[in-house]
Amino acid sequence: EIVLTQSPATLSLSPGERATLSCRASQSVSSYLAWYQQKPGQAPRLLIYDASNRATGIPARFSGSGSGTDFTLTISSLEPEDFAVYYCQQRTNWPELPFGGGTKVEIK
Amino acid sequence: EVQLVQSGVEVKKPGESLKISCKGSGYSFTNYWIGWVRQMPGKGLEWMGIIYPGDSDTRYSPAFQGQVTISADKSISTAYLQWSSLKASDTAMYYCARLASSGWPQSWGQGTLVTVSS
Repeated sequence: EIVLTQSPATLSLSPGERATLSCRASQSVSSYLAWYQQKPGQAPRLLIYDASNRATGIPARFSGSGSGTDFTLTISSLEPEDFAVYYCQQRTNWPELPFGGGTKVEIK
Repeated sequence: EVQLVQSGVEVKKPGESLKISCKGSGYSFTNYWIGWVRQMPGKGLEWMGIIYPGDSDTRYSPAFQGQVTISADKSISTAYLQWSSLKASDTAMYYCARLASSGWPQSWGQGTLVTVSS
């Protein structure tokens, strides 16, 4: 079983700052990794798939990188609406699509 | 526009049965996998399982195998998640999600809150 570990658990930043979120897999997932944003009371929203592809309608300030076991979601300049919880997900053993534990990006 | 509309809030007692639904529209329902995700109060996302409505091919995550049943009725473009005997630990928000051609869950329902309490 491949486990995804996200860090940090909480990231305290100010609007306009750069956010760097990490997702580490216990073994290689190639590029089969996605990132989601979830705001309180809302369903998750797909941001990035296959490690670095932005989903439809996602602003360019969101970018993903990495392959193998180490992945990064970067938000280049935080907007007020970006404060939320972010999850990574892998699909190496499709149709098993487990998630990481999440990173909360909060306002400093 | 792809839409997934889930059934409403449920309040049940332990031991009761329950079936919640997820109705798809705006696309060919039979041609895309639909998955179910659990989110317990204040916790993260858990992948439960998936169904292909075209032939009802269903797969479960090990943690949910035998605990729930996933099904679909393609004649009414609706997927289901059901329990035969609810437990308090089933209290959670449940989301359905349609997998895009990329293989990732891109379109999500609004969620169904299930509360199980005596």
